[in-house]
Amino acid sequence: EDKVVQSPLSLVVHEGDTVTLNCSYEVTNFRSLLWYKQEKKAPTFLFMLTSSGIEKKSGRLSSILDKKELFSILNITATQTGDSAVYLCAVTYNNNDMRFGAGTRLTVKP
Amino acid sequence: GAVVSQHPSWVICKSGTSVKIECRSLDFQATTMFWYRQFPKQSLMLMATSNEGSKATYEQGVEKDKFLINHASLTLSTLTVTSAHPEDSSFYICSARVTVGNTIYFGEGSWLTVV
Repeated sequence: EDKVVQSPLSLVVHEGDTVTLNCSYEVTNFRSLLWYKQEKKAPTFLFMLTSSGIEKKSGRLSSILDKKELFSILNITATQTGDSAVYLCAVTYNNNDMRFGAGTRLTVKP
Repeated sequence: GAVVSQHPSWVICKSGTSVKIECRSLDFQATTMFWYRQFPKQSLMLMATSNEGSKATYEQGVEKDKFLINHASLTLSTLTVTSAHPEDSSFYICSARVTVGNTIYFGEGSWLTVV
């Protein structure tokens, strides 16, 4: 069965800490892996990964994909309270299929 | 990034009536659009995948006669909740896949309350 598993499900850190969020998947005919940040409303796009080993970076956020071991990580360095959100991982596969993980709820305390 | 507009952002309707939610890709063409439902503090639940010009593909457990999806053009998909009941109250979100590049962008979501 196709699945996307995120860990941890929730995480509480203090400002300045570095966090690593995990997303593993088992799907047929993988196409891409996407990371989103969801605060109060709709998710906002962070990264799309299609190739192994190529780090995508945006400010304090970075992400990398390992297609051999079937996982991706999202790193956030020097966390701020504004990073508090649910981080969603989604995998597209086959021709048009897409599946989300359950999300990681990150809380950054001042 | 690309913009996906969803309308209305919130709607209150009476039980038994139908409600239509629109999802538009404003600056790109989207062959494929997705509709989700999200309950409080839960992840997105994919309801259906809609492809322009063809019938939507519904996820298991989603009633296709209750949640009518139409994808009539490359920039517009609609979700109609027919004969709405209070248990249909939820946050409905659409997303659209950019035809070139495959990135997926989300609309702002629509809060539906059925009273």
